[in-house]
Amino acid sequence: EPEVTQTPSHQVTQMGQEVILRCVPISNHLYFYWYRQILGQKVEFLVSFYNNEISEKSEIFDDQFSVERPDGSNFTLKIRSTKLEDSAMYFCASNVAGAYNEQFFGPGTRLTVL
Amino acid sequence: GNSVTQMEGPVTLSEEAFLTINCTYTATGYPSLFWYVQYPGEGLQLLLKATKADDKGSNKGFEATYRKETTSFHLEKGSVQVSDSAVYFCALSVSFYGQNFVFGPGTRLSVLP
Repeated sequence: EPEVTQTPSHQVTQMGQEVILRCVPISNHLYFYWYRQILGQKVEFLVSFYNNEISEKSEIFDDQFSVERPDGSNFTLKIRSTKLEDSAMYFCASNVAGAYNEQFFGPGTRLTVL
Repeated sequence: GNSVTQMEGPVTLSEEAFLTINCTYTATGYPSLFWYVQYPGEGLQLLLKATKADDKGSNKGFEATYRKETTSFHLEKGSVQVSDSAVYFCALSVSFYGQNFVFGPGTRLSVLP
């Protein structure tokens, strides 16, 4: 069964450093998403991406964040200058075109900012 | 705005007990409703969904009915197992193009043998 994959599973970085989190969505999916989950808290929407552009973003997704689909398979989230409060689990998700379809989530990348 | 409220956890039950996790929502428009489950150390997995009023989603013995009149989507299971121990998230989706999900805070379920 096809699945969303994410790398790395755990990333440790120093405050102020740039990090890139990588995701490979399911191959025939057209919509891509990033969410984050701070430890012990709820899952929060960051951004959605369709047709090579951001379609929606939350207030969390400020100028420090960017997303890119550099090729036909990868979908990346970049944090330019990490802060301590960026420490969280980051989930990538994807789904097919059409309203109200379930999203398929990857296993997550745990980002720890020291 | 759109929001999801879930009952506070953690919920601790004995094996074979009946489970209810309450979920209510506020939404602009007509949402689709979902339950996702997160097992320890893993990502989110769709458990079940319902896309219109009175729809019942079901999977692995879990059920939830979309109640528009009470804006609720309570999760139930008649007989829980130890393997059901996880965090359960109620979620809604109202946006077509972005389809960003709004998640509830999650309810941690522990089932004891």
